[in-house]
Amino acid sequence: EAQVTQNPRYLITVTGKKLTVTCSQNMNHEYMSWYRQDPGLGLRQIYYSMNVEVTDKGDVPEGYKVSRKEKRNFPLILESPSPNQTSLYFCASSLAGRFSYEQYFGPGTRLTVT
Amino acid sequence: AQSVTQPDIHITVSEGASLELRCNYSYGATPYLFWYVQSPGQGLQLLLKYFSGDTLVQGIKGFEAEFKRSQSSFNLRKPSVHWSDAAEYFCAVFTGNQFYFGTGTSLTVIP
Repeated sequence: EAQVTQNPRYLITVTGKKLTVTCSQNMNHEYMSWYRQDPGLGLRQIYYSMNVEVTDKGDVPEGYKVSRKEKRNFPLILESPSPNQTSLYFCASSLAGRFSYEQYFGPGTRLTVT
Repeated sequence: AQSVTQPDIHITVSEGASLELRCNYSYGATPYLFWYVQSPGQGLQLLLKYFSGDTLVQGIKGFEAEFKRSQSSFNLRKPSVHWSDAAEYFCAVFTGNQFYFGTGTSLTVIP
């Protein structure tokens, strides 16, 4: 089954404790992206990757890191989480190229930083 | 700066009534345009997309959207709403490398 998986689905952590949220897709998609969803703000893009070893900042990259060492995986790293990073996070992937970019979304990771 | 505006935060319609959700974008060229739906506690599902060509596009679940270049709009429509359409709807644009989403419109359907 074609899918985007995220782990963990729920995470409660404390300020400053490094964490990683994994994202994996099995569709051989080139484009991958991370979003955060906050009430009243919709989805905001954190980082995106056009292909392996190619990543770039989205609208809200502060406090986050990513890497794209393999095509299927795109982990999101919070090196020193703060309470303002409490949010619902989505990973998404799509084919890249002309008439592409129909994103498939993961189920989401609800992060609480205390 | 690029932006997407969904002016209606919340809409309530009766089951069987027609629906139109508004979306306006700010971008210098014609972007790729998308509508997604998010049911409570769920991820996002693509409803429909516009890349180029015919300005009226059909999607899943009986939804359609019309691209109007002169108004920088991509409004979502459905002729007859079902109770299962109650959800949050997001308009999104792709500008060649980045995605921008609107803040969403929450749809309530009254029996």
